[in-house]
Amino acid sequence: QQPVQSPQAVILREGEDAVINCSSSKALYSVHWYRQKHGEAPVFLMILLKGGEQKGHDKISASFNEKKQQSSLYLTASQLSYSGTYFCGTGVSGSARQLTFGSGTQLTVLP
Amino acid sequence: SAVISQKPSRDICQRGTSLTIQCQVDSQVTMMFWYRQQPGQSLTLIATANQGSEATYESGFVIDKFPISRPNLTFSTLTVSNLSPEDSSIYLCSVFAAGGSNYGYTFGSGTRLTVV
Repeated sequence: QQPVQSPQAVILREGEDAVINCSSSKALYSVHWYRQKHGEAPVFLMILLKGGEQKGHDKISASFNEKKQQSSLYLTASQLSYSGTYFCGTGVSGSARQLTFGSGTQLTVLP
Repeated sequence: SAVISQKPSRDICQRGTSLTIQCQVDSQVTMMFWYRQQPGQSLTLIATANQGSEATYESGFVIDKFPISRPNLTFSTLTVSNLSPEDSSIYLCSVFAAGGSNYGYTFGSGTRLTVV
């Protein structure tokens, strides 16, 4: 079953923060986050594994609450280059190889 | 991370014909994955291609419609057969790369298929 992402879309100004949520009805082993710019392939951002962890690089970080089967992606001090559609992909098996992707969150950063 | 060359990048096909999409990876991988992304939608897994065995198809996708070949550890093809306008979509191949402290899927650049 497809994880639910919220919000569906968000518009913000450069320098503002955003949070994108991903929620599943299934027990999760892993959560991936990807960003897809228009007309391009999705690009891997990060993976979080069962055990409840938080990761980040640059000004993009994420958390994974396995008890709630939720993950959140945090974008701080947004840059124009952050614009795109963000997808979470959830894995329920230990191999973390087969993902079910959420419906996506369209993020637009304005100057 | 792996580099994937996918072709064609786009094609316009007539109803009833077939399109074969090729993916070449610059390293050996056990599994290759084929996804479909309809316009403005999420990615849906079609099948997993394993070298030396038949592909594993997800619910709603059948081998007769989406035959897959995996002749070696760096190459795979997906054929979309008996095309109808509903098959108009973007098709992506991907591989899963594990290494170091961070890993995930790498996607090919996609094939945009339009059926007329």
